[in-house]
Amino acid sequence: GAGVSQSPSNKVTEKGKDVELRCDPISGHTALYWYRQSLGQGLEFLIYFQGNSAPDKSGLPSDRFSAERTGGSVSTLTIQRTQQEDSAVYLCASSPHRGSGNTIYFGEGSWLTVV
Amino acid sequence: GENVEQHPSTLSVQEGDSAVIKCTYSDSASNYFPWYKQELGKGPQLIIDIRSNVGEKKDQRIAVTLNKTAKHFSLHITETQPEDSAVYFCAAIWGLGGGATNKLIFGTGTLLAVQP
Repeated sequence: GAGVSQSPSNKVTEKGKDVELRCDPISGHTALYWYRQSLGQGLEFLIYFQGNSAPDKSGLPSDRFSAERTGGSVSTLTIQRTQQEDSAVYLCASSPHRGSGNTIYFGEGSWLTVV
Repeated sequence: GENVEQHPSTLSVQEGDSAVIKCTYSDSASNYFPWYKQELGKGPQLIIDIRSNVGEKKDQRIAVTLNKTAKHFSLHITETQPEDSAVYFCAAIWGLGGGATNKLIFGTGTLLAVQP
């Protein structure tokens, strides 16, 4: 597609359930990022994928969070045993390739509400 | 550690006036500084960026200045219009000192309100 595509756009889930959020990066982009944005807050780095390299998971807040990227393209962010504090917008972004200064493009986000 | 500070957190201006948002960063190796505009319910959109080999860049009503020595960079919007109202985020690239990740570290955002 023309831009970064995320699904679902909105998700309401019950506390304790698992959720999966999907990201389709811009075609040909080798770098993929996940960020989290809580209501009225800035963007918190979660995880970074670059090509076939091991992902940088340093931003994941707990072991309930995991992400994978299959075939170097689509990525899935999984949150297990969701908690209310997980409610946020989860933003995916992609960039053409590794290296400083490559423009990073964001999707519209997946709005997660844990009730 | 990784840190980008952004001020002010809110800014209200009259239509036609200028708006200035300032950021400081901590990683002296950073050399790429983008600015994003985020409208309600949407993802951040890149509006302008600057690399460390220049001190200023302008695109119509928007300009960004960079002082690498002081580790400051600023966004300037002239002749503001109501459609400029949004949240603006500065960012700095992190991890250029040998790390594998070129991740963006964001400031906390500035809510700009342009009053008609």
